Amino acid sequence: DADVTQTPRNRITKTGKRIMLECSQTKGHDRMYWYRQDPGLGLRLIYYSFDVKDINKGEISDGYSVSRQAQAKFSLSLESAIPNQTALYFCATSASQETQYFGPGTRLLVL
Amino acid sequence: GQNIDQPTEMTATEGAIVQINCTYQTSGFNGLFWYQQHAGEAPTFLSYNVLDGLEEKGRFSSFLSRSKGYSYLLLKELQMKDSASYLCAARGGATNKLIFGTGTLLAVQP
Repeated sequence: DADVTQTPRNRITKTGKRIMLECSQTKGHDRMYWYRQDPGLGLRLIYYSFDVKDINKGEISDGYSVSRQAQAKFSLSLESAIPNQTALYFCATSASQETQYFGPGTRLLVL
Repeated sequence: GQNIDQPTEMTATEGAIVQINCTYQTSGFNGLFWYQQHAGEAPTFLSYNVLDGLEEKGRFSSFLSRSKGYSYLLLKELQMKDSASYLCAARGGATNKLIFGTGTLLAVQP
């Protein structure tokens, strides 16, 4: 079984719709992250959380919100999706200063 | 500010050796990571350097020079399955976050 899972794996939605991407991990890590990846731009950090009561904005948080429901779960929401939020979204986890482990990704298309 | 530079694309021949360079600028530097990412898949961890020098792991090695803000990933005995994007990431800043480069797309040819 995968240590970091993301649902859904693919999603097509329309402009203005609310979308939630979910991430779960069985690694027991405290730290969780949401990134988006766009061609030519690399991975960019949206939000991160160092524990259940800690939420921090990354470099591109506008238009997104997150919820850390438990140590193992970290959800990303797009309140009103727009086409330039079309991207590949990755969740990642880490234990303190250790390396980050990535989920399989969610491919989102906003029409 | 924080910045990572690496070449956009490289091509190499099966069985050969290739070196992928990365230069970085970040305050409070606290480690340099290399990830491999096949098209449409998740990045997977390859190596980590925090002290100057070479770290070897099978066919892959990574080198770091903190004074020069420079790292490279060395891939030996290239195989077709090594065709992928290689991401350089520096950890630093006030909150020790990872800053990723845009990746180097390596094409291994027969």
